[in-house]
Order: sequence, then structure tokens, then C-alpha cells
Amino acid sequence: QKEVEQNSGPLSVPEGAIASLNCTYSDRGSQSFFWYRQYSGKSPELIMFIYSNGDKEDGRFTAQLNKASQYVSLLIRDSQPSDSATYLCAVNIKQSSSNTGKLIFGQGTTLQVKP
Amino acid sequence: GAGVSQTPSNKVTEKGKYVELRCDPISGHTALYWYRQSLGQGPEFLIYFQGTGAADDSGLPNDRFFAVRPEGSVSTLKIQRTERGDSAVYLCASKASYSTDTQYFGPGTRLTVL
Repeated sequence: QKEVEQNSGPLSVPEGAIASLNCTYSDRGSQSFFWYRQYSGKSPELIMFIYSNGDKEDGRFTAQLNKASQYVSLLIRDSQPSDSATYLCAVNIKQSSSNTGKLIFGQGTTLQVKP
Repeated sequence: GAGVSQTPSNKVTEKGKYVELRCDPISGHTALYWYRQSLGQGPEFLIYFQGTGAADDSGLPNDRFFAVRPEGSVSTLKIQRTERGDSAVYLCASKASYSTDTQYFGPGTRLTVL
């Protein structure tokens, strides 16, 4: 079982709709969770991070975390064609007494927003 | 301010050759990470530096890979006897301090081994 799993997609939504991207992780010791956006040929760009159970909103983006279910999601409201990209879920796992901060990434979900 | 920079942006080499990839982190960032991203996959952790020392090199695939950060700023990833399977985008990321989780990525170096 992979440590961080995402559906590779593509996920296709019409412009203006809500896009829902999901991620599960295997290590219950995971401490912090990140969503990165990656346009084709570009490097990952941080969108949001979340540490606590519940929802965290930033503009059109909402991250949701459920540690009991080991599940984190990203909602994009009023999706725009410019949101079309690959969305990477990343998890920071604390190991023993140290935290190197290394991120474990899922394979990414490709989102297509159609005009 | 300036972000993370990486050079070269593209590197094409022949199987068996030696390559060096450079990363210049955001000024003042003490933590530096190298990741490797293959096509269609998420980045995969290689090595982490806190200051000058490699605090975690558990992601280096074998002893052909080595990285240094002699003055706690610029880092160089070195690959000996390159193989075709080393072809990937090599990403560098930095973050501000031990307690801050947010990593900022550079543009990457696309390595192609022929």
C-alpha cells in the first residue's frame, strides 16, 4: 500500500462547478498535510496546508482533514479553466523524536476545467 | 524576493557520465530538500539538509547519488555513472526553519540520460 494515495484522474468538471480532490494516507503519525498545484512542465506550488481536523478555507479553496479516517481533501469552488493542473497531496510524517519535514507525495490528480 | 533557483534547467547526458545539479535556496532558509519526480508521479524525497549537514539521506536510491551543502546555502546533487533510469526532473525545495513545515520549490532540473 502506498503511503499517500490519490486518484490519478483526470477529473473533469465544467467551469463554475465545485471540484473535489481526495487523498488518503497510511501513517497515523502524519502531522501536517499539504496541497500543491503543478502546471504541466512547472514545479509544485503550495496552495494550502492543514494541521487540524476540520475545514480550512482560503478564497475558493477549502481543505478538509479527517485524521480518524486518514483522509484529506481539497475543494475548489467556482472552478476556472486556469485551475486545470495536477494537484498533489503531500504528507509530513514525524519519525520518532525527529521531524525532518520531508514530504511524502501522492501521484497527483489531474483536474480539467472545461469552459 | 527571489525564490529557489536551480541550474541548469535542462541537462542531457550520456549513460555513464557524471552530472552535477545546483540548487540555490531562498536566502535565510536553513532547510533544503532534494526530490526527484518521474513522469506521471509525485515528487519522491531524496535528501534533507539542515544547515551544512545531511540530516536525512534515506531517499538516495544508491551510492551513485551524493549531495553536499558546504556552506549551508547552495547545494549540489551529484550523480555518478548515470543510467537511463536516472532521467527525471530533480526538484529542490527550501524552508525557513526547523519548525516551519512549508517548503518552496524551485523550477527543477530536467535530466535526460541517453
